[in-house]
Amino acid sequence: TAGITQAPTSQILAAGRSMTLRCTQDMRHNAMYWYRQDLGLGLRLIHYSNTAGTTGKGEVPDGYSVSRANTDDFPLTLASAVPSQTSVYFCASSDGPESTDTQYFGPGTRLTVL
Amino acid sequence: GQNIDQPTEMTATEGAIVQINCTYQTSGFNGLFWYQQHAGEAPTFLSYNVLDGLEEKGRFSSFLSRSKGYSYLLLKELQMKDSASYLCAVRDSNYQLIWGAGTKLIIKP
Repeated sequence: TAGITQAPTSQILAAGRSMTLRCTQDMRHNAMYWYRQDLGLGLRLIHYSNTAGTTGKGEVPDGYSVSRANTDDFPLTLASAVPSQTSVYFCASSDGPESTDTQYFGPGTRLTVL
Repeated sequence: GQNIDQPTEMTATEGAIVQINCTYQTSGFNGLFWYQQHAGEAPTFLSYNVLDGLEEKGRFSSFLSRSKGYSYLLLKELQMKDSASYLCAVRDSNYQLIWGAGTKLIIKP
């Protein structure tokens, strides 16, 4: 069972370059999320999508964009990377905001912007 | 603003019991979650509380008091593999999860 996959596992990126972090889930979950995790801080929501075709802004959306063309894929794009975007990025999915709505996480992408 | 507070780090002995506390102030409440995260890995779901009281799941239990904005995770019969960070998260009025910074639990033999 794959669950959620993310690619790449890690990346070093020059400042000013663009990059897309990929996320794919095979659980047919309606909702998907992108978080960043920085040392000493809790997971912070970047963008989310409650269902295919819709997206919303989270707590820290600036400098990032997302799309949700289908149920399975939820790519995150950095248009022009800056060093403050150095972080570990986690993609997650869930059935939706009901009941326990447990979020399941991908393995993460470790991004370094120089 | 919204805030989740947990201790940064705790140390316990193998075989013992440890309680990790979490206090929260959020705009609305639609449930509290505990996740476990081993170093370099993704968070994994441990427990969910939406009503006051204790939820028991094997060696792990989670307690919630909504009136006090307080929860704890209780780990019994500690094993070395329990060394990890434990994340507390509250689902707010917009059904988004607000996360604490996590408690790093160190287990000593």
